[in-house]
Amino acid sequence: QQQVKQSPQSLIVQKGGISIINCAYENTAFDYFPWYQQFPGKGPALLIAIRPDVSEKKEGRFTISFNKSAKQFSLHIMDSQPGDSATYFCAARGSNTGNQFYFGTGTSLTVIP
Amino acid sequence: KAGVTQTPRYLIKTRGQQVTLSCSPISGHRSVSWYQQTPGQGLQFLFEYFSETQRNKGNFPGRFSGRQFSNSRSEMNVSTLELGDSALYLCASSPGSFYGYTFGSGTRLTVV
Repeated sequence: QQQVKQSPQSLIVQKGGISIINCAYENTAFDYFPWYQQFPGKGPALLIAIRPDVSEKKEGRFTISFNKSAKQFSLHIMDSQPGDSATYFCAARGSNTGNQFYFGTGTSLTVIP
Repeated sequence: KAGVTQTPRYLIKTRGQQVTLSCSPISGHRSVSWYQQTPGQGLQFLFEYFSETQRNKGNFPGRFSGRQFSNSRSEMNVSTLELGDSALYLCASSPGSFYGYTFGSGTRLTVV
């Protein structure tokens, strides 16, 4: 059973556009929601994370929107750049999962110049 | 500050062999987790070690095992390799349960 569902599987965006990736979860005990960025040949790198006591967190061009009642969270990349082309994973961890993260299946983002 | 170091980066093994992968976490990080990444299954949790104790284990067969040393370095071992074990094995370290992970670049294992 996929604990965290991520969509879309792939995304193509023009340079300067907004990239939006969505994730949904079921476990209400999840209390930490990070996003990771992975380039080919590299491990995932933590991009931005949010806890459920806030509805939005912004770091530079990256914003997480969090909807606790809908059990959904999303990553918005503003002014998308070709260098943002990578695979993005959402993840979740909770008080009843120890330090185990559950990852979404990933979104391959391509930003066209 | 040095990141998470995984060795070797690439490995080719034959079916039936065993393999040991190594991970050196960030200095001061006591938690080390291992994940298997494949195109079909994504990132799958293998196990987590904290202060030399396995704290959590994913749904993998007993052929997958690990350990952590007193300096927090960790190894994972896969015995009787199968073709389906071909994957990128990622190690992640963190200071503890309330922090995010820092991943290494992984070990690409190919079983032929």
